[in-house]
Amino acid sequence: QKEVEQDPGPLSVPEGAIVSLNCTYSNSAFQYFMWYRQYSRKGPELLMYTYSSGNKEDGRFTAQVDKSSKYISLFIRDSQPSDSATYLCAMRGNDYKLSFGAGTTVTVRA
Amino acid sequence: SAVISQKPSRDICQRGTSLTIQCQVDSQVTMMFWYRQQPGQSLTLIATANQGSEATYESGFVIDKFPISRPNLTFSTLTVSNLSPEDSSIYLCSAQSGNTIYFGEGSWLTVV
Repeated sequence: QKEVEQDPGPLSVPEGAIVSLNCTYSNSAFQYFMWYRQYSRKGPELLMYTYSSGNKEDGRFTAQVDKSSKYISLFIRDSQPSDSATYLCAMRGNDYKLSFGAGTTVTVRA
Repeated sequence: SAVISQKPSRDICQRGTSLTIQCQVDSQVTMMFWYRQQPGQSLTLIATANQGSEATYESGFVIDKFPISRPNLTFSTLTVSNLSPEDSSIYLCSAQSGNTIYFGEGSWLTVV
């Protein structure tokens, strides 16, 4: 069993829809949770960072962490074609070593 | 945040040769890491680059194949030695800033 599970998709939505992405994990030591966006042939770009359980909102993006269920989510509201990318969840304990999900490829259709 | 620059951005190398990738961070950072992203896959940690001491390698990665240097708090290099087609990947440098990890644009390696 992988330490971090993420549905690789692909996920295709119409412009303006809400995109819902999620990951599950098995390691109880994870305390820091991140979402990265990776465009084709580019490095991962940090989108959201959350410590422990709770919600965090930044513009059209909302990240949720439920440590009791070992489940994290990313929501993208009013999706745009420019949001088309691969979204990677990542998480770590206190050692700064990131464990990544497989990445979900999202296409927003104009 | 941290801005990370990598060189080369891409290269095509002959099998049996080596490639050294340079990583420069725009500020002093404590932790630097090297990741590999094989085609169509997610990121796998190769090693932690320790300043002034030997790198710490993850399971499945060895120093002879992936020697790493970290001469100061802003710079690191990763060498991929004795290249084979299976080494064709993106190699990513990352650095810790606060509680988060930032990545460079990656170095795209194709081995022929």
